[in-house]
Amino acid sequence: DIQMTQSPSSLSASVGDRVTITCQASQDISNYLNWYQQKPGKAPKLLIYDASNLETGVPSRFSGSGSGTDFTFTISSLQPEDIATYYCQQYGTFGPGTKVDIK
Amino acid sequence: QVTLKESGPVLVKPTETLTLTCTVSGFSLSNARMGVSWIRQPPGKALEWLAHIFSNDEKSYSTSLKSRLTISKDTSKSQVVLTMTNMDPVDTATYYCARIRIVYYDYIWGSYRYAFDIWGQGTMVTVSS
Repeated sequence: DIQMTQSPSSLSASVGDRVTITCQASQDISNYLNWYQQKPGKAPKLLIYDASNLETGVPSRFSGSGSGTDFTFTISSLQPEDIATYYCQQYGTFGPGTKVDIK
Repeated sequence: QVTLKESGPVLVKPTETLTLTCTVSGFSLSNARMGVSWIRQPPGKALEWLAHIFSNDEKSYSTSLKSRLTISKDTSKSQVVLTMTNMDPVDTATYYCARIRIVYYDYIWGSYRYAFDIWGQGTMVTVSS
């Protein structure tokens, strides 16, 4: 099975900061990588599919890039409502998550 | 409006079988570009995919839990059912069903590209005697 790792496991940033999360696959997965946001007590929400495609209705401050084994998720300007845990996913494998807090 | 709603017992005893139902609305389980997956999340932990089923009845299971899981669907009732046998306290988790949206079929990789685009609210299941 393919393994997914994420870094960092958690981060604190100020409102307006650029935030970057990385996800690494244990083998080449082309551009098949999705990103989800999960706010406390809520179900996950799809933000990015196929590495870089923004899901309809998702703010443009969210973006994704990468292919092969290395992927990046970026929030261009962190907002208070972005406090959440972010997960990458490929088929039946989720990454361990990155918790994002406001400094 | 597309919605998914999980239902099932809140509490099960060790060794019992868990049966969860996902009732969907706003789309059909016969839609060739859709499917439904079950995903769980133990308290404070990460998401874990369990199983999925597509419109053509194609099924897939988590390698580590395959022997304990069965997924099925009743298209006329718009329901997807997951059973998990021999429940253990480590199976205590919030169980989610999620719609699978097939983005496209990758002929080079020989597989569907999909995402979990709509999720249910989740149902918390505790395993305890």
